[in-house]
Amino acid sequence: DAGVTQSPTHLIKTRGQHVTLRCSPISGHKSVSWYQQVLGQGPQFIFQYYEKEERGRGNFPDRFSARQFPNYSSELNVNALLLGDSALYLCASSLRAGVISDTQYFGPGTRLTVL
Amino acid sequence: GQQLNQSPQSMFIQEGEDVSMNCTSSSIFNTWLWYKQEPGEGPVLLIALYKAGELTSNGRLTAQFGITRKDSFLNISASIPSDVGIYFCAGPTTSGTYKYIFGTGTRLKVLA
Repeated sequence: DAGVTQSPTHLIKTRGQHVTLRCSPISGHKSVSWYQQVLGQGPQFIFQYYEKEERGRGNFPDRFSARQFPNYSSELNVNALLLGDSALYLCASSLRAGVISDTQYFGPGTRLTVL
Repeated sequence: GQQLNQSPQSMFIQEGEDVSMNCTSSSIFNTWLWYKQEPGEGPVLLIALYKAGELTSNGRLTAQFGITRKDSFLNISASIPSDVGIYFCAGPTTSGTYKYIFGTGTRLKVLA
């Protein structure tokens, strides 16, 4: 079975541009979470979506937005990119949201570099 | 807010040695998870712990859920070169938005 897939693998943008990252969850999983991982740190929670609704948001500015589609795939959008947005963006899928026993499984991530 | 601190921050060991690392929090967690991340990859789940005092093994890996629910430990026995990577502990928040809090990570390097 395919795991969590993310695209693109790598992305280079310049300051002020916007970016869209994509994620497809494990088949049967209905929840997708997005994390930002800056080099040398652990992942930081950005959003969680379940059944196309936002279920949680971390401490990130409004430049960050996301949505989930009927097939449970998801997009993360970041507007007005800053140098500090350079990071590995991770998508994680789980069966449901808010259920402790539903483990989150991570994709390989998208490496975003902002110049 | 809830934070997870891991120690040691990094470690260099010889192949065949045993490894111990821990994760502590100032607040209680009801679940502890241990992930391994290799360069350019996303974290991969190693062990999940759901009950205080629980001891769970996965091959050469053994993890324990601390009795106080404020700590967890991961041990790797007879390390091999492919154990190289960053090990993160994580736990779901117990209030507000359901999300994972990740620790600061322990970077492991194995010398052949």
